[in-house]
Amino acid sequence: DGGITQSPKYLFRKEGQNVTLSCEQNLNHDAMYWYRQDPGQGLRLIYYSQIVNDFQKGDIAEGYSVSREKKESFPLTVTSAQKNPTAFYLCASSIPGTSGTDTQYFGPGTRLTVL
Amino acid sequence: GQNIDQPTEMTATEGAIVQINCTYQTSGFNGLFWYQQHAGEAPTFLSYNVLDGLEEKGRFSSFLSRSKGYSYLLLKELQMKDSASYLCAVGPGGSQGNLIFGKGTKLSVKP
Repeated sequence: DGGITQSPKYLFRKEGQNVTLSCEQNLNHDAMYWYRQDPGQGLRLIYYSQIVNDFQKGDIAEGYSVSREKKESFPLTVTSAQKNPTAFYLCASSIPGTSGTDTQYFGPGTRLTVL
Repeated sequence: GQNIDQPTEMTATEGAIVQINCTYQTSGFNGLFWYQQHAGEAPTFLSYNVLDGLEEKGRFSSFLSRSKGYSYLLLKELQMKDSASYLCAVGPGGSQGNLIFGKGTKLSVKP
C-alpha cells in the first residue's frame, strides 16, 4: 500500500535531549513538509523540501533541523534549542503541480512529550 | 499578512445540514483546501477549489468566491462520525507549494 508513515506514534524525551522523528513515503512524491500542531492553533510549517538534497525553512524553523538525502525520507530533529517542543508533529507530502500548489497528504503524526 | 478565519466550534444534530465558513486574506491565491481531522489523527483531504463555484462530492460540498475571499464547506445528512475538526487551508501560490492553515472548526454532531 502506498502512503506516509511516521514513527513512533508517541515519543517521550527528557528536557535537553535531541530527538529525531522519522517520516517515510512511498508515493513517489517530490515534496515533503513538516508541520507542528498545538491545541487551539492551526498547523504551522516547520520545514519543507521540494527535491532531494534541498530544503527550506518554514515559519517556525528555530530549534529544528532536517535532512533530505533520499526522496522517500524526510526526518526532523527537535533540538534542545527548541523552547517548547511538546506538540503533535505531522509530516506531509505532495506532487508539486505546475501551479505550485498540490494536495498534501499527511502521515499519522507523532505526539512528542518532553518531560 | 496571511490570515485565515473560521469559527472555533459548531454543534449540529444528526441528519441535519451544517455549513462551515472560511474567510481568507493572503498575499496570493492558488487554491483552497478543506481537510477533516479526527482527534489525535492526521488530517485527511476532503476538497479543493481553485475556481469560483460549488464542488460537490457525495455528502460534502465546498464553495469558493475568490472576489470575496470566502469559502464554505457544506455537510449534509450529518452522521455521528462527522464529529471532527475541519481545517481550511489556502495555497498562497509561488513555487513552494506550501499551504496556510486556519485554526480549524471543531464540529460536534449530537443525536
